[in-house]
Amino acid sequence: DSGVTQTPKHLITATGQRVTLRCSPRSGDLSVYWYQQSLDQGLQFLIQYYNGEERAKGNILERFSAQQFPDLHSELNLSSLELGDSALYFCASSPGIAKNIQYFGAGTRLSVL
Amino acid sequence: SQQGEEDPQALSIQEGENATMNCSYKTSINNLQWYRQNSGRGLVHLILIRSNEREKHSGRLRVTLDTSKKSSSLLITASRAADTASYFCATDGGMANQGGKLIFGQGTELSVKP
Repeated sequence: DSGVTQTPKHLITATGQRVTLRCSPRSGDLSVYWYQQSLDQGLQFLIQYYNGEERAKGNILERFSAQQFPDLHSELNLSSLELGDSALYFCASSPGIAKNIQYFGAGTRLSVL
Repeated sequence: SQQGEEDPQALSIQEGENATMNCSYKTSINNLQWYRQNSGRGLVHLILIRSNEREKHSGRLRVTLDTSKKSSSLLITASRAADTASYFCATDGGMANQGGKLIFGQGTELSVKP
């Protein structure tokens, strides 16, 4: 068990809908990262928050947004969903800003029908 | 794409044999990490090697790093059926990366047959 909790484990929704994925980092970790894993794109970094502030941004679509709350949990919001958004979404956490080992949650499997 | 490449994409061996996976990357790095992923599950960190290190060991794992060739290899010795998983290398993008994002390779799918 990595200590990173993601909910829900599975999500099935329709095109055009909006969903929220939730992540609780390991106790004491200040950084939260979101990654998307799909068959065609592999593992792609989306965004990083450190202690409530956005720290780094990857190839995150404008339809996607994230935030980190004062209790350090994070949410990834995906809106106007398309079939191509179907993927595994992982959250990871680490103690510091960079150069750290990252601890991954079990992921949320999103299926857009 | 910033992503590196891993070679081979798939590897099938018998229990007890050694497995070697290679990774090439494109940017400068501060460190390189290897992660393991069991089918559809979360990634688990295996080992981190810093850019000024050439070799590192952890149990049955041996990692080498050649920054001049921008490549790394992961050797798993005396493999077990439980080693069956996908293995990914990940780099930190070096000084150009002010945050902590990891850049993952495409992964090697290892199958160890009992």
